[in-house]
Amino acid sequence: EPEVTQTPSHQVTQMGQEVILHCVPISNHLYFYWYRQILGQKVEFLVSFYNNEISEKSEIFDDQFSVERPDGSNFTLKIRSTKLEDSAMYFCASKRAGTEAFFGQGTRLTVV
Amino acid sequence: DAKTTQPPSMDCAEGRAANLPCNHSTISGNEYVYWYRQIHSQGPQYIIHGLKNNETNEMASLIITEDRKSSTLILPHATLRDTAVYYCIVSDWDNYGQNFVFGPGTRLSVLP
Repeated sequence: EPEVTQTPSHQVTQMGQEVILHCVPISNHLYFYWYRQILGQKVEFLVSFYNNEISEKSEIFDDQFSVERPDGSNFTLKIRSTKLEDSAMYFCASKRAGTEAFFGQGTRLTVV
Repeated sequence: DAKTTQPPSMDCAEGRAANLPCNHSTISGNEYVYWYRQIHSQGPQYIIHGLKNNETNEMASLIITEDRKSSTLILPHATLRDTAVYYCIVSDWDNYGQNFVFGPGTRLSVLP
């Protein structure tokens, strides 16, 4: 069964460093999303991406965040200068039009 | 904010049916009801979705009331591995990932 793959599973980074989280969506999907979940809290929407551009973004997705689909298969989330409060699980999701979304297993980001 | 209301927690005996309710009184005509679950901090897992008809798949059944203001997810024979947080979400999302809002969900504990 096809699945959304995220790497790495766990990333530790120092405050102020840039970090890139990687996602390989399901191959025939066209809509891509990033969500995050701070420990013990709800899953929160960050950004949606379609047709090589951002469709929507939440208030959380400020200038420190960016997304890219560099090669037609990967979908990355970059945090330019990490803060302690960026520590969370980050989930990538993908879908086709009119169907359910499939989520990856997440990357646990720890900022120290 | 989430457009759904769910009980914060429920218990179910192993082997019995688990019936998880969800209220969505402000659902609009083009919004689907989606159910996902999250086991520990893994990525949300799709279970089932529907518009107005009842739906069944290999995992669960979804019963939607005629007025569409509430629904029930039924796990027919709950196992210990069904212990998870279950999220009921209403959305017409394709581009609008921001409308796919996770609430706190129902924490289902399946007891031996």
